[in-house]
Amino acid sequence: DAKTTQPNSMESNEEEPVHLPCNHSTISGTDYIHWYRQLPSQGPEYVIHGLTSNVNNRMASLAIAEDRKSSTLILHRATLRDAAVYYCILRVSGYSTLTFGKGTMLLVSP
Amino acid sequence: NAGVMQNPRHLVRRRGQEARLRCSPMKGHSHVYWYRQLPEEGLKFMVYLQKENIIDESGMPKERFSAEFPKEGPSILRIQQVVRGDSAAYFCASSPDTPSYEQYFGPGTRLTVT
Repeated sequence: DAKTTQPNSMESNEEEPVHLPCNHSTISGTDYIHWYRQLPSQGPEYVIHGLTSNVNNRMASLAIAEDRKSSTLILHRATLRDAAVYYCILRVSGYSTLTFGKGTMLLVSP
Repeated sequence: NAGVMQNPRHLVRRRGQEARLRCSPMKGHSHVYWYRQLPEEGLKFMVYLQKENIIDESGMPKERFSAEFPKEGPSILRIQQVVRGDSAAYFCASSPDTPSYEQYFGPGTRLTVT
């Protein structure tokens, strides 16, 4: 399985933008980049996904490097409710299962 | 549209007993996935099922664990003769009829083996 590398933790202040990096240097051409997050004591929640182009939705933006070896999840204005573990996952095209790593624990301060 | 439902939310079993975890996928979803999260660890895929079929069970322990998703009713993850190492949070996810970009997760069942 293709692997991802994320920082163990990051800190942010409320209402500031947050950029969560993910390295995936062994990504293959058909791997999708997915982001999920897990709030304390809850199940994971889908955030966003992309293949080659940058993506925006109501929760976040996903910036994908031109060589696809890295990506960045952008939360435009962090809130206290965004404090969670964020997982960057490569999903092999044609396969449905997700392989979770350790993720990045995002701490948001008031 | 109700989300993925799991019950019970908390389950306590003594060593050697059986645990049955239930998952009702979102309406219209026929793909179900089970994941396990051990304390202080990440989520690990266990099994992927479609109605009445096991598609991928590569993450399931070879013994004591089984899963089903019958034509009618919820998906069941069954753990026989539980041991303390089975204590974990078990999450179920579902996706629509066609393989989807999103998996929708339930709130999990927290199993404690005493």
